Amino acid sequence: ETGVTQSPTHLIKTRGQQVTLRCSSQSGHNTVSWYQQALGQGPQFIFQYYREEENGRGNFPPRFSGLQFPNYSSELNVNALELDDSALYLCASSLDFSPLHFGNGTRLTVT
Amino acid sequence: AQSVSQHNHHVILSEAASLELGCNYSYGGTVNLFWYVQYPGQHLQLLLKYFSGDPLVKGIKGFEAEFIKSKFSFNLRKPSVQWSDTAEYFCAVNANNAGNNRKLIWGLGTSLAVNP
Repeated sequence: ETGVTQSPTHLIKTRGQQVTLRCSSQSGHNTVSWYQQALGQGPQFIFQYYREEENGRGNFPPRFSGLQFPNYSSELNVNALELDDSALYLCASSLDFSPLHFGNGTRLTVT
Repeated sequence: AQSVSQHNHHVILSEAASLELGCNYSYGGTVNLFWYVQYPGQHLQLLLKYFSGDPLVKGIKGFEAEFIKSKFSFNLRKPSVQWSDTAEYFCAVNANNAGNNRKLIWGLGTSLAVNP
């Protein structure tokens, strides 16, 4: 079975730009969660998608948005990038309420 | 608000030493508890989890954790560490009444270095 894959692995953007991060969930999983992990911190919950619907959101502004597609892959979009958005963005998938399986993350640097 | 506290930010041990990493959470209701590990250059992996039942949970690679409800703790233990256990360890909690694993609350992590 294939695991969770995220693309790109690294990305450099300028403040004010927009970015789209992509995640392919593990085969058979229908839930995708996105987390932001700043350097030296634990992951912070951004939101979760379950069967294409948003199913919970953390304390992130509306410029963080997402999608889940019929094949359960997902996108995280961030508009109007700020310097503080620089972080590792983690995608995790699961089947319903099972524990999360993580991808390797996308390292976003905003300059 | 829920929070998770990991007591040790950096731990250095010699091989064969015993390990205990502390984790405390703040939430009065029923919780699901997790320990994840991140080896250098790899993604987060589940070490073990507690949902209900026996409060002593055994995970992969010889790790175990004990849920003590009265102390709001879920400490991770291993009797004898190996150099390959060098990694970052994260404790995570979610409220069971959330019905699923959305909004896991994470500790800051503990960096474990095991010297050969």
